[in-house]
Parts: sequence; C-alpha cells; structure tokens
Amino acid sequence: GNSVTQMEGPVTLSEEAFLTINCTYTATGYPSLFWYVQYPGEGLQLLLKATKADDKGSNKGFEATYRKETTSFHLEKGSVQVSDSAVYFCALSVLNSGNTPLVFGKGTRLSVIA
Amino acid sequence: DTGVSQDPRHKITKRGQNVTFRCDPISEHNRLYWYRQTLGQGPEFLTYFQNEAQLEKSRLLSDRFSAERPKGSFSTLEIQRTEQGDSAMYLCASSLVAGAGNTIYFGEGSWLTVV
Repeated sequence: GNSVTQMEGPVTLSEEAFLTINCTYTATGYPSLFWYVQYPGEGLQLLLKATKADDKGSNKGFEATYRKETTSFHLEKGSVQVSDSAVYFCALSVLNSGNTPLVFGKGTRLSVIA
Repeated sequence: DTGVSQDPRHKITKRGQNVTFRCDPISEHNRLYWYRQTLGQGPEFLTYFQNEAQLEKSRLLSDRFSAERPKGSFSTLEIQRTEQGDSAMYLCASSLVAGAGNTIYFGEGSWLTVV
C-alpha cells in the first residue's frame, strides 16, 4: 500500500537555524510528493510539491527534492523564522486513472523561538 | 476564487445526536474529498467524489457516516448517533482531475466536539 513516514516532533529551533524534516514513503506506482503546512486553528495549505524523480519543489524559502533511490522527500529551510512555527505534513498521491486521494504522514510540529 | 469553504466551523453536540457538515468546493473543481483529523495526527481519508459520483470510501467511514454531493457542487457529511470518538476536525478539499501531482486545496475544517 501507500504510506508516508515522517520524523517525530516536536522540533524546536532558534530563529535563523537550519531546518530539516525527514520524510520517506512507500508507494505502489509512481507517486507525486507534497508538503503541506497547518498553522494553529487552520486547515492545510500546500507548501510545495514534486511530481517526478529529482524534481525540486520550493516555496517561501523551503525546499524538498524527490529522491527515488532513497524514497525520500525531506523538507529543508536554511534560516527559519518565528512565523514558520506550524505543523508540517508530508503526503503522496499516485496517478491511477486520475490522482488517488492524498495519503499523509502524522505531521511534525515545528516551534521557532526568537 | 473564494477557496474551499466549510460550515459550521465549530459544532458541539451531545452523544447520540446527528450532525451535518457542508462543504462548498472551488467552483470549477470536479473532485471533492473528506478527511478526518484528530489531535496530533495527520488527516485520514474518508471518501471522495468525482462530480456527483462517490468513487471511494475508506473503511473508517462506518455506516453512521454518509456523504453526498447531489449536484456535483457542494457536499454534505452527516454523522448519525454521534459518539465521543467522532470528536475530530473534518476537512474538505477539492481539486481538478488532471495529470500527476494535481494540487488538492483544503478548507479550514469543521471542528466537532461530542460531549
């Protein structure tokens, strides 16, 4: 089946620190990979995505590279800000007569302190 | 583009009562999804529609749950005889049917508390 495994949180960083949140996946077929972010009390927002191997998704200083050989899609940011404090979800979807519904990891809570 | 909207945003109900949530997707989107999210967990897929057809239901969707999308536009999710374990956030999302990696847009969710 399809599944996503994320590093457990919470992650607490000081402002301007480097962030890595690990994500690995298993999939039947060729998945597209996503990172969603959820701010307190809100729904999910798409942060970035990649649809094929070696693609790099990027947005708001965040990056993730689709690594087929290691089945990974790790999220990185060079310098975090307090406003990045949120829960981050890795997810996948497989193209099969249209995209299958997203399968999510459990989420990683990030707290950035000034 | 007004985004995906959900109503109500918060609902407190007594155990055994029925509740209904409504979702209005982005207007041109033909796919509509329902997810459930409990505290500290990722969203779990419940069901989805393509236009008015319900294409898939998760085993999480017990017979107390029913979802409809009668005209292929808005959708409702009804929970009958609510239980405390139903307390969660119910998320609706929508998308176009397209190629790989098509973006799914989420609403802000409907919080359900069963007391």
